[in-house]
Amino acid sequence: AQSVTQLDSQVPVFEEAPVELRCNYSSSVSVYLFWYVQYPNQGLQLLLKYLSGSTLVESINGFEAEFNKSQTSFHLRKPSVHISDTAEYFCAVSDPMDTGRRALTFGSGTRLQVQP
Amino acid sequence: ETGVTQTPRHLVMGMTNKKSLKCEQHLGHNAMYWYKQSAKKPLELMFVYSLEERVENNSVPSRFSPECPNSSHLFLHLHTLQPEDSALYLCASSQDRDRGRSYTFGSGTRLTVV
Repeated sequence: AQSVTQLDSQVPVFEEAPVELRCNYSSSVSVYLFWYVQYPNQGLQLLLKYLSGSTLVESINGFEAEFNKSQTSFHLRKPSVHISDTAEYFCAVSDPMDTGRRALTFGSGTRLQVQP
Repeated sequence: ETGVTQTPRHLVMGMTNKKSLKCEQHLGHNAMYWYKQSAKKPLELMFVYSLEERVENNSVPSRFSPECPNSSHLFLHLHTLQPEDSALYLCASSQDRDRGRSYTFGSGTRLTVV
């Protein structure tokens, strides 16, 4: 079974500083990878995803993530964070060949706390 | 408006009560999911419905009973719950043919069992 590890449960950072949220997954086969964001009192929203092609994917609000197959990682980065980026971030994985389990496997989340 | 609506937003129930959580989507999706979100733990998949047929149960206790009467509605019936069942229950939907299987989530129901 697939698993997702988000090593950092909390990441405090000052506004306008760069940030990296780490994600590693267990599967060695082809995978689809996702980052979701959860703002307080809301559900999860898709931030970006990797399906195939370019290993660097970007979101509309300045986040990017790079798929690294050899390290089985999909770390999320932003060069300059804003207060409004404070939220919980979830990494998720699915196996495109597994038509039986049609569901995402999520990590435990990383709380990004942006301080002024 | 996320496209997936969950009601109620908050629910407090005793261990002997029976209640139901409701999820509704009008995105034209054909798959719906229940997830349990507890503090400091990964989201736990509870149930998957695809084309209104349950395809995964994931060993959830029988005190949780799902119902999917049509592709737009999903319920989670609750009875004789335990305090450890207190959590945020999230509903999501997707298009099963969507190669990327992106989910649209509702805002969740915060359940407290007393």
